[in-house]
Amino acid sequence: NAGVTQTPKFQVLKTGQSMTLQCAQDMNHNSMYWYRQDPGMGLRLIYYSASEGTTDKGEVPNGYNVSRLNKREFSLRLESAAPSQTSVYFCASTTGEGYGYTFGSGTRLTVV
Amino acid sequence: QKEVEQDPGPLSVPEGAIVSLNCTYSNSAFQYFMWYRQYSRKGPELLMYTYSSGNKEDGRFTAQVDKSSKYISLFIRDSQPSDSATYLCAMSGGSQAGTALIFGKGTTLSVSS
Repeated sequence: NAGVTQTPKFQVLKTGQSMTLQCAQDMNHNSMYWYRQDPGMGLRLIYYSASEGTTDKGEVPNGYNVSRLNKREFSLRLESAAPSQTSVYFCASTTGEGYGYTFGSGTRLTVV
Repeated sequence: QKEVEQDPGPLSVPEGAIVSLNCTYSNSAFQYFMWYRQYSRKGPELLMYTYSSGNKEDGRFTAQVDKSSKYISLFIRDSQPSDSATYLCAMSGGSQAGTALIFGKGTTLSVSS
């Protein structure tokens, strides 16, 4: 099915470990986003890529890095995980401003 | 003040009720307004989209935007148990984060049969 695919779906990390969350879309969308969702905090933008070859910080970028590998793929890396990064991470993509986002099913990350 | 404010609820209604969900915002440059529905442990899905001011209707759902008051609403008529979900308002246009949508915190709705 067309859409946004995120891997892994679940992950438990120890404090200080690193990992990369993968996101791929097959809708030929230009823009891709990483959000985190925490109880009572809503969806907060971590990083985004308006087009292939560009990335920019969002509201909560500290502790994260991203790579727009190609038009399809946008990865999020945690270099040294902290308990404060325990969250549900969503990747999303869109054709451009004013168009709705398609979200992936999320990655549930726990840092212990 | 956060750019988008949304009452988190929870909101509980009986089946068949009319539901009103609301958001206020502070950035007058916003021009694209959306509502997303998120079922438990799922990703958000686009429910309604409105450009600038006005109303839009789709079946049992009506979205309203009042830019003069910086206020948007989602109405659900004849609510069903399957409408039980978290509803997120979102908007963009003029944001420093390019095309990125700014989301409200979401309102959790429960419809009982």
